[in-house]
This record gives sequence, C-alpha cells and structure tokens, in this order.
Amino acid sequence: GAGVSQSPSNKVTEKGKDVELRCDPISGHTALYWYRQRLGQGLEFLIYFQGNSAPDKSGLPSDRFSAERTGESVSTLTIQRTQQEDSAVYLCASSFLLHSGNTIYFGEGSWLTVV
Amino acid sequence: EDKVVQSPLSLVVHEGDTVTLNCSYEVTNFRSLLWYKQEKKAPTFLFMLTSSGIEKKSGRLSSILDKKELFSILNITATQTGDSAIYLCAVKKSSGDKLTFGTGTRLAVRP
Repeated sequence: GAGVSQSPSNKVTEKGKDVELRCDPISGHTALYWYRQRLGQGLEFLIYFQGNSAPDKSGLPSDRFSAERTGESVSTLTIQRTQQEDSAVYLCASSFLLHSGNTIYFGEGSWLTVV
Repeated sequence: EDKVVQSPLSLVVHEGDTVTLNCSYEVTNFRSLLWYKQEKKAPTFLFMLTSSGIEKKSGRLSSILDKKELFSILNITATQTGDSAIYLCAVKKSSGDKLTFGTGTRLAVRP
C-alpha cells in the first residue's frame, strides 16, 4: 500500500492476556519505529529498527514488551500479560533514512484497551 | 536525558486569530527539529528544520529554528477550525534516527 499500515486498528483484551500488534511499513523504508501514546499525552518512544542493525530497544517499558522485524518488512509488537496501564494507541512509523533529510510517516495506530 | 518541551499545553482561539506555538529542546548532538500535526491517530508531517534562522513556510503555517537559544516556533496565521489539532514537536540527533517528541500543544479554533 501507499502508507504505513497497522492492524488491528482497535483491540480490547482482558488483563493478563498477550496481544500482538502488526505494522507494515512503506515499501523500501529501512527504518521502522514503534511509539506509544496514552490518552492526552505525547508520543513515547518504544523501539527502533534500522535495516539489519541491532534494534534500539531503549524505550521498551518492561520485559513484557518485545518487537520483531524481519529484514525491511513487517514488524510485530508483542505485549505479554497485559496490564491496564498498557491501554494506549500504539503508533508505528517508517522512513527511508532520516539523516538523509527524509521524514517519518506514521500509521493510523492500534488502539489497545485492557479491561 | 534528552528533553523536548512544548508550550502552551493547550490553547483556544477564534477563527482568524494568529497563534504561535513554542518548542524548546535540550539534546546532545542535535541534528534537526520536526513539527507534526495530529488530528486523529496518525501525526502528519509539517516541517523539518535543520538550519537556524531560515523560515519554512507552507500556506498559513510557518516555522523557524534558533539553534543558539535551542527553540523553534510554529506560527499559524488566519486560523481556521480545521487547524484544531495537537501540534507535536520532535528532535532528531545526529547519531541514530530516533525522534524524541514533546507532549504537544492542543489547539482548538472556535468559529
């Protein structure tokens, strides 16, 4: 597709269950980012993938959070044993190469509600 | 720790007013500053600023960066109700491609 695609767009899950969120970046974009945005708050960096380099996981809030990306394609963000404070919009973004002057493009996000 | 601070946190104006949104930052190895508009879920790109003193303009929106004083402003003239959104500022360092975002300014434009 033309843009960053995320699924599901909305997910309601019970506390303690695991969830998987998927991101399909723009074709050809080597960099992929995951951000979290709680209601009324700013974007919180989670993890960043760049090509085949080791990902920057410095923003993952706990070991319940993990993400994978195969090559320069789809990424999956997994949250294990979900807690109510995990409720947020999870935004994925991709870019070609930021340092070359390109910007990042966001998906529409996955709204997660933990009940 | 890198910091990006936006002000005001929220703003209510009437159509036709001019607004100025502020973004100050403290980061090591600064490279560029970006502005985004977020209406629903996905932020959309507005401007990327790398050099001091050079104004970027797009219609009624303009932005400028001051690398000495470590801030940027986003101006919107003749505001319209469609300008109502959260405006996000983000900073990129020269090492790596991670963006650090501010918490945003929520702008409401009343008819």
